[in-house]
Amino acid sequence: NAGVTQTPKFQVLKTGQSMTLQCAQDMNHNSMYWYRQDPGMGLRLIYYSASEGTTDKGEVPNGYNVSRLNKREFSLRLESAAPSQTSVYFCASSPGTSGSYNEQFFGPGTRLTVL
Amino acid sequence: GNSVTQMEGPVTLSEEAFLTINCTYTATGYPSLFWYVQYPGEGLQLLLKATKADDKGSNKGFEATYRKETTSFHLEKGSVQVSDSAVYFCALRTIQGAQKLVFGQGTRLTINP
Repeated sequence: NAGVTQTPKFQVLKTGQSMTLQCAQDMNHNSMYWYRQDPGMGLRLIYYSASEGTTDKGEVPNGYNVSRLNKREFSLRLESAAPSQTSVYFCASSPGTSGSYNEQFFGPGTRLTVL
Repeated sequence: GNSVTQMEGPVTLSEEAFLTINCTYTATGYPSLFWYVQYPGEGLQLLLKATKADDKGSNKGFEATYRKETTSFHLEKGSVQVSDSAVYFCALRTIQGAQKLVFGQGTRLTINP
């Protein structure tokens, strides 16, 4: 049981390049999330998927797109990378979004640098 | 809007010292409150939580009490260890937020032997 896995662990891009960050969970969770972590700002939600087939914008969605490929996988795409997108990206999952709180489980992160 | 404010870091203590990391929040309604911990090179892990006023969350010797009157959720530990060195995040969730967490900026804690 690997929990939440993310690939790649590190990536360096040039301005204008595109890439996709991959995330997968093996806990049969319904909900998945993408956050970015910047120094002094905590984690900010980019997009989330409450259930398979749905996606919604979070706090900072501009410059990103997501795909909930199936129940296990939730990818984050940067179409034209900018230096402002240099950050550490975390994927998380939780059993659901309704009822009492469901703990979010985090992956190890992807460190992205855009030159 | 909803927000979380944590004390500025970094915080450096000696082993066995008493720890307090302050956290205050602004939220509509009655949020649930959480502390997450991030060890070097790893993702975040839930440390403890409290879902209503006066609840006390506890885990691994850490405690935090949900104080509605002061809108606070301060993290405390009586005797810290070197292994507690990490970044600590306070967070909240509102019912309207549909499981979306709002995080504070994080406090880096270093414990020296």
